[in-house]
Order: sequence, then structure tokens, then C-alpha cells
Amino acid sequence: QVQLQESGPGLVKPSETLSLTCAVSGYSISDNVCWVWIRQPPGKGLEWIGTVYHTKGVYYNPSLKSRLTISMDTSKNQFSLTLTSVTAADTAVYYCVRPVSSEHTFDVWGQGTMVTVSS
Amino acid sequence: TVMTQSPATLSVSPGEGATLSCRASQSVRSQLAWYQQRPGQTPRLLIYGASNRAAGIPARFSGSGSGTEFTLTISSLQSEDFAVYYCQHYNSWPLTFGGGTRVEIK
Repeated sequence: QVQLQESGPGLVKPSETLSLTCAVSGYSISDNVCWVWIRQPPGKGLEWIGTVYHTKGVYYNPSLKSRLTISMDTSKNQFSLTLTSVTAADTAVYYCVRPVSSEHTFDVWGQGTMVTVSS
Repeated sequence: TVMTQSPATLSVSPGEGATLSCRASQSVRSQLAWYQQRPGQTPRLLIYGASNRAAGIPARFSGSGSGTEFTLTISSLQSEDFAVYYCQHYNSWPLTFGGGTRVEIK
């Protein structure tokens, strides 16, 4: 059974860098066309952050692109997110996701990790 | 592409049907998905390609529409269906979600 597990700091100070990792088990990340990050601020809706492909590079949400890097590490079977210069607006639950039904629909979700930006 | 869902909240009695709407600011063809998010849970894919049920989704959930107007219909609400529902387009970058419709018990 495929499982996705996000990890990272629960608290980040404003202006600092947020780094999250999604460890994939039960499945090789090389066997899926792409992998995705999505976030959800407390009490609010869903926001697509970005999609990383094996061969087609990375697609970022334009609202985050200048601060965002998403990458894959096939040797560790994981993918990662780095967001620089964070503010309170980046406070959210961050989910890593595996598309299955299509490249851009979100079938398998990690449990999510809450990240709070606060001094 | 901006996705607009209506109504924001829908009050329904168990056993009744519900119709949720999603409108795109420009055509997204049939590149439209629906998700359910129960309180405290992760979202669950219900529908993709505007009308295709995802694996394991009960037949009481159905999707329709194309272009800019889409509908999610729940034929007879069960207790576990009271949740927030989101639409999402995937016709072009960036992928965007609607603001959600909360289906609550009447």
C-alpha cells in the first residue's frame, strides 16, 4: 500500500526558510509521472503549490514561484519543498500528493503537516 | 482560471438530494475534479474528467458539465456525506480550486 509521509518543522520564524520532505513508501517515486504539493490554511480552502515531474521539470503556482523550489530524490524515494522568506500567510497544513487518475487529479494524500509561521 | 462554487453552504436533510455548482472563469473543457473533505480529514477525490467516479466512490455521487459550468449531485445524502466539497480544474497551469461548498445537516 502506497503511503506518503510529510516531515518538517512545525514552527518557522518569519523571513526564514521552510523545508518539507515527503517520504514515499510501498511505491517507487520513479514509477509515477509526477508528484504534488498542496496546502490549506487553517479554516480555509485548498491551494495547489506545485507539481514535479521526472522528465518535464517542475510547475509552480505563480503566486509562490519566486520563493519556491520543489525537487525529487529518487535515491531516497522522496520529494521536497523549500519556501523562502515565509510570512504568516504561509501558515497552513501542507500535503504531499500522488496523482493517479490523471496527472493533475489528487488521489493519494499524505496525512498533512501543520506549519506555523510565527516569531 | 478562477473557480467559483455555489452555494457557500447547503443545508440538507439526510436522505435528500443535493446539487452543488462550480463555475470556471474560462472554459476548462472537461478537465474538472471534485473532492470531499470531512472534518479533520484529508480531501478525497470523488470525480475526475467532470463525470468519472474515482475508485471506490459510491454511485450516489455523480458529476456533469463541461466548459464553464459543472455540477456535483449527491442523490441521497448519508451521514458521512456532510462535508466540504471542492472543485478543481486541470485544463492549464496554474491548477486552481474553488472556495468550497459546505453541506450541512438541516
